[in-house]
Amino acid sequence: DAKTTQPTSMDCAEGRAANLPCNHSTISGNEYVYWYRQIHSQGPQYIIHGLKNNETNEMASLIITEDRKSSTLILPHATLRDTAVYYCIVRVEYGGYQKVTFGIGTKLQVIP
Amino acid sequence: DTGVSQDPRHKITKRGQNVTFRCDPISEHNRLYWYRQTLGQGPEFLTYFQNEAQLEKSRLLSDRFSAERPKGSFSTLEIQRTEQGDSAMYLCASSPASGGNYNEQFFGPGTRLTVL
Repeated sequence: DAKTTQPTSMDCAEGRAANLPCNHSTISGNEYVYWYRQIHSQGPQYIIHGLKNNETNEMASLIITEDRKSSTLILPHATLRDTAVYYCIVRVEYGGYQKVTFGIGTKLQVIP
Repeated sequence: DTGVSQDPRHKITKRGQNVTFRCDPISEHNRLYWYRQTLGQGPEFLTYFQNEAQLEKSRLLSDRFSAERPKGSFSTLEIQRTEQGDSAMYLCASSPASGGNYNEQFFGPGTRLTVL
């Protein structure tokens, strides 16, 4: 699986959009971009994933650049409950087998 | 609650003792994963089951570690002769084989192990 690079930490004002960047310059054509988050003392939680098109769900939006070398996770209206570590992961789908390699992630602090 | 459950949530043991953790996945999920997470790091993959078959083990899983999923439902992770370096959060996750959310892994709350 390709490696990812994320900022170690970020702050975001409550109610504003949180934009979390991820670089994955060595991503290959069949690798998906996944985002998980981990709130303190809980297990990670899936947020969203995509291959090359932008994706949106009830939690967030994922913007993937045209060359697929980077992506941005957008939380449109951050709340205090969004304070967490956010992990960007790239991996191939092995017919459903999903060995996930987490990095250190970005610690997002939402500030009142 | 129909999510992934893990038991116990916390375990304190003395070095050299054996410990066993249990994971109950979401009932219809046939894929089950174990991860280990140390402070300040992301989770590290340990092993993967599809039904009762253990299909992959990380080199992190030393001979002192063994995982089972005897009936393809719950799983246990045993650590023998614990060492202080085994202190970590042990996370279990499950995922379905197919369906709309087969891309997701659903994580349990973890078991925090402290080896004194």
